[in-house]
Amino acid sequence: AQSVTQLDSQVPVFEEAPVELRCNYSSSVSVYLFWYVQYPNQGLQLLLKYLSGSTLVKSINGFEAEFNKSQTSFHLRKPSVHISDTAEYFCAVTANSGGSNYKLTFGKGTLLTVNP
Amino acid sequence: NAGVTQTPKFQVLKTGQSMTLQCAQDMNHNSMYWYRQDPGMGLRLIYYSASEGTTDKGEVPNGYNVSRLNKREFSLRLESAAPSQTSVYFCASSRPGQGNYEQYFGPGTRLTVT
Repeated sequence: AQSVTQLDSQVPVFEEAPVELRCNYSSSVSVYLFWYVQYPNQGLQLLLKYLSGSTLVKSINGFEAEFNKSQTSFHLRKPSVHISDTAEYFCAVTANSGGSNYKLTFGKGTLLTVNP
Repeated sequence: NAGVTQTPKFQVLKTGQSMTLQCAQDMNHNSMYWYRQDPGMGLRLIYYSASEGTTDKGEVPNGYNVSRLNKREFSLRLESAAPSQTSVYFCASSRPGQGNYEQYFGPGTRLTVT
């Protein structure tokens, strides 16, 4: 079984400041990792994913995350945030084998609030 | 493509009433999922269907039943609603394999049980 810990439930930052949302996972097998974003009163949208290859993955809107196997982490970063980045962010993990039926295990979420 | 659609968007039930939440996807995905989202709890898996004709319990199945009606549709039924089932319910779908393991989510159903 897998588990995910998002270390901060809320992260307030000022516009144009950098931000890091932390995610650690636990698993006895190799994993695939995801970050989802949820804007108010909406469903979840995939932000970025790590399946294999380069450990640094990037989204189209400036976020990036780095898979660190030794630290079992997948932290999300953005060098300069905008008001429009205000949302809740969820880290998720699945085992990269069919035995799990690729079910996702989610962290409890981090609410990012960007202030002017 | 509409993606994943859910009906209704909002529902208020009295304790003991029953209802069915509907979900449909038009992406030809094999797998479908039902989650509930509660403040501070993230998303918790209620039931899932890895393929048409199969369903399995997730983390919090008590009080719910599901039906995988066909490849497109996956419904969630509350037989006797309880206040503890007040939540936002999300349906998701995926087609695991060939480098594509993410799930696609519907807009959610906000359910209040009084």
